[in-house]
Amino acid sequence: EADIYQTPRYLVIGTGKKITLECSQTMGHDKMYWYQQDPGMELHLIHYSYGVNSTEKGDLSSESTVSRIRTEHFPLTLESARPSHTSQYLCASRAWGKGTDGYTFGSGTRLTVV
Amino acid sequence: KQEVTQIPAALSVPEGENLVLNCSFTDSAIYNLQWFRQDPGKGLTSLLLIQSSQREQTSGRLNASLDKSSGRSTLYIAASQPGDSATYLCAALNSGGYQKVTFGTGTKLQVIP
Repeated sequence: EADIYQTPRYLVIGTGKKITLECSQTMGHDKMYWYQQDPGMELHLIHYSYGVNSTEKGDLSSESTVSRIRTEHFPLTLESARPSHTSQYLCASRAWGKGTDGYTFGSGTRLTVV
Repeated sequence: KQEVTQIPAALSVPEGENLVLNCSFTDSAIYNLQWFRQDPGKGLTSLLLIQSSQREQTSGRLNASLDKSSGRSTLYIAASQPGDSATYLCAALNSGGYQKVTFGTGTKLQVIP
């Protein structure tokens, strides 16, 4: 079944650790996105990609980095986690086209940095 | 710059009621408008997608309408159930090279048994 998967679902990690949040989709979508969302708050776009080897920063400044080596895979990395990075991270994808397709979201990764 | 507003911010209704959630957008140059629900601590689940050329879409007890000229979309939920309790978000995808999506502020719905 075509879907978008995020792992881990929950992560508690100590300050200073390097972490990678995984996002994979099986729909062959060219466009992929990372959003950051605090509880009860709006979504903020932090990274997006329009295809392999294409990555851009979003509207909200983030210390994280992303890579897009394969179409289906869009991991997000924090080199040195801090408590201010505690949040929920949502991955999404969309097909390339004239807006005929909507967004598909993963279940999210809830990150807590202690 | 597109702005998307959802009113009310929170809504509490008894089970069985029909209800309408509102979504307003300032820039009518959109490709589509998408409605999502989000349960606490979870991702967004797509409910309905309305293309700019369409007036409405239906799925089960849900009906979404789109009026580009007035910059409004509504999500109608028939015979509400406690399982419908969630936050509902609308998202407008703007036309243009970047095809930027703007999410609404959300309506938190509680259906009381």
